[in-house]
Amino acid sequence: DTAVSQTPKYLVTQMGNDKSIKCEQNLGHDTMYWYKQDSKKFLKIMFSYNNKELIINETVPNRFSPKSPDKAHLNLHINSLELGDSAVYFCASSQEGSSGKLETQYFGPGTRLLVL
Amino acid sequence: QKEVEQDPGPLSVPEGAIVSLNCTYSNSAFQYFMWYRQYSRKGPELLMYTYSSGNKEDGRFTAQVDKSSKYISLFIRDSQPSDSATYLCASEMDSSYKLIFGSGTRLLVRP
Repeated sequence: DTAVSQTPKYLVTQMGNDKSIKCEQNLGHDTMYWYKQDSKKFLKIMFSYNNKELIINETVPNRFSPKSPDKAHLNLHINSLELGDSAVYFCASSQEGSSGKLETQYFGPGTRLLVL
Repeated sequence: QKEVEQDPGPLSVPEGAIVSLNCTYSNSAFQYFMWYRQYSRKGPELLMYTYSSGNKEDGRFTAQVDKSSKYISLFIRDSQPSDSATYLCASEMDSSYKLIFGSGTRLLVRP
């Protein structure tokens, strides 16, 4: 009964390859996110989708392309992987809130990507 | 300058100690202030949040926000070894969907 799940948990690949990470949430939430956590534990938002529509797109290289086939899924495809892409990628989801009400974000377990 | 600053630690305390974790932020538009706990090799989980200034208590945990000084604090009373984790503060503008995290403070509670 995992709320937010990600696959794979670990990904080791060569520079220049293309890879995808998948995320699924069974919480019935409207909004999903991708975060990147670097080796110093700094967690930074990359993208957010609300009802399959992109609402946040931070200054991320266009080698990163999110895709949301439905509200419960948000995938991340990365082209031409670089050494600097090595990090832990977290998916999260939240229910759309109203003003004054926090939409708590629930995080997945993370995907550890190592680019060699 | 990062929008949310946090001392990375590590902070090592004996079991039973009172722990004080702190962050500062620069954006006056932030309305929500959160503390997430992250165990090793796990995703962050929300511990507490406050809306605007004030205090909030939940068991052994107390969160404080002082908007005048842009200062966020988390106090842990009677700390336990199971509290050993990285604590991330985060802030958000109203309904922005965008959490801005500090870099996290690693806490170690020694038995």
